[in-house]
Amino acid sequence: AQTVTQSQPEMSVQEAETVTLSCTYDTSESDYYLFWYKQPPSRQMILVIRQEAYKQQNATENRFSVNFQKAAKSFSLKISDSQLGDAAMYFCAYGAGSYQLTFGKGTKLSVIP
Amino acid sequence: NAGVTQTPKFQVLKTGQSMTLQCAQDMNHEYMSWYRQDPGMGLRLIHYSVGAGITDQGEVPNGYNVSRSTTEDFPLRLLSAAPSQTSVYFCASSSLDRAYGYTFGSGTRLTVV
Repeated sequence: AQTVTQSQPEMSVQEAETVTLSCTYDTSESDYYLFWYKQPPSRQMILVIRQEAYKQQNATENRFSVNFQKAAKSFSLKISDSQLGDAAMYFCAYGAGSYQLTFGKGTKLSVIP
Repeated sequence: NAGVTQTPKFQVLKTGQSMTLQCAQDMNHEYMSWYRQDPGMGLRLIHYSVGAGITDQGEVPNGYNVSRSTTEDFPLRLLSAAPSQTSVYFCASSSLDRAYGYTFGSGTRLTVV
């Protein structure tokens, strides 16, 4: 079974600074998708960024970018110019041909003014 | 643009009662799924469906039942509620090509007493 590991239960960052959240996964598939979701206190799950495994180019969405290392099975999220609104739980998730999503246990990010 | 609509948002049940959590999407997504979120556990898949008339079990299916009679709706039934089913439940949907990732509903907080 696939597993997703987020090794940092909690992290903090100063406003306007950069922070990187780590995620590793285990799979024998060659074609799959990776996602980062943000969950603020409102509980809503918000898609931050999506990466297709066959694409070597790292995905970016405004201040959010990933470092996708397929051979190392690593998928870290970098948040640049951190804002107070970035404070939330962040979940890394893996999805392959069966469409099931496997989630990590999450990283709680705090932003310090 | 409703996306994925879950009802109710909150529910308290007594042990042994049954109920149905409703999920509807208006994006013509083929894939729909139910997750439960427990503290420190991330999100775990309960049941999923890749189209009308097709359902399958996820990681934690015991005590839950689903059906998919239309593309739009995917209700989750709790057959005989137990305190262990106290959790936050999320419905999620996606197109089969996952071009825009998975869209989540706003969640249902269920307490079984």
